[in-house]
Amino acid sequence: NAGVTQTPKFQVLKTGQSMTLQCAQDMNHEYMSWYRQDPGMGLRLIHYSVGAGITDQGEVPNGYNVSRSTTEDFPLRLLSAAPSQTSVYFCASSYQTNYEQYFGPGTRLTVT
Amino acid sequence: KNEVEQSPQNLTAQEGEFITINCSYSVGISALHWLQQHPGGGIVSLFMLSSGKKKHGRLIATINIQEKHSSLHITASHPRDSAVYICAAYSDSWGKLQFGAGTQVVVTP
Repeated sequence: NAGVTQTPKFQVLKTGQSMTLQCAQDMNHEYMSWYRQDPGMGLRLIHYSVGAGITDQGEVPNGYNVSRSTTEDFPLRLLSAAPSQTSVYFCASSYQTNYEQYFGPGTRLTVT
Repeated sequence: KNEVEQSPQNLTAQEGEFITINCSYSVGISALHWLQQHPGGGIVSLFMLSSGKKKHGRLIATINIQEKHSSLHITASHPRDSAVYICAAYSDSWGKLQFGAGTQVVVTP
């Protein structure tokens, strides 16, 4: 199993550009989530999904969109990038919300 | 105020020393997770526990539900244990995992 994969690993955007961070898992997990990690702060939940076709907002959803058309994929879209979105982004999956979490390798995003 | 607090923020130990990282949380929870993040950035799950104690190699995790407190111990620490250790707790009242800010551990030879 590949586990949780994320692409790209690194990305530099200009303010106002849009892009999609890809996340995929091959463990048939129902629960998938996106986090951002900033220095001195814990992982913060952006959006999550409890199954295909179902998504919900986390604690910092503004400026991000998600969709879950399949169990495997959970892309995160930045609609109009801002410098405040400079961060490291992690995708995670688990069997259910409160089960062992499997994390992707992360995407380091810089917005100039 | 964070719902999940970790201490210390940073910790330096000499190889062979016993290390303890603490995690406290504000409400009753159904599970607590300990995660490890290596300098390369990847995050792996070490333990998930809801009561008592779990052991894996030189790592031991304990939880005291009444005290709302968990500890991660590293016995006979080694430089390869250098990493950020993160605790996360799940409560039905939150409906999601809440993460501590992490503890940076450096073990010197």
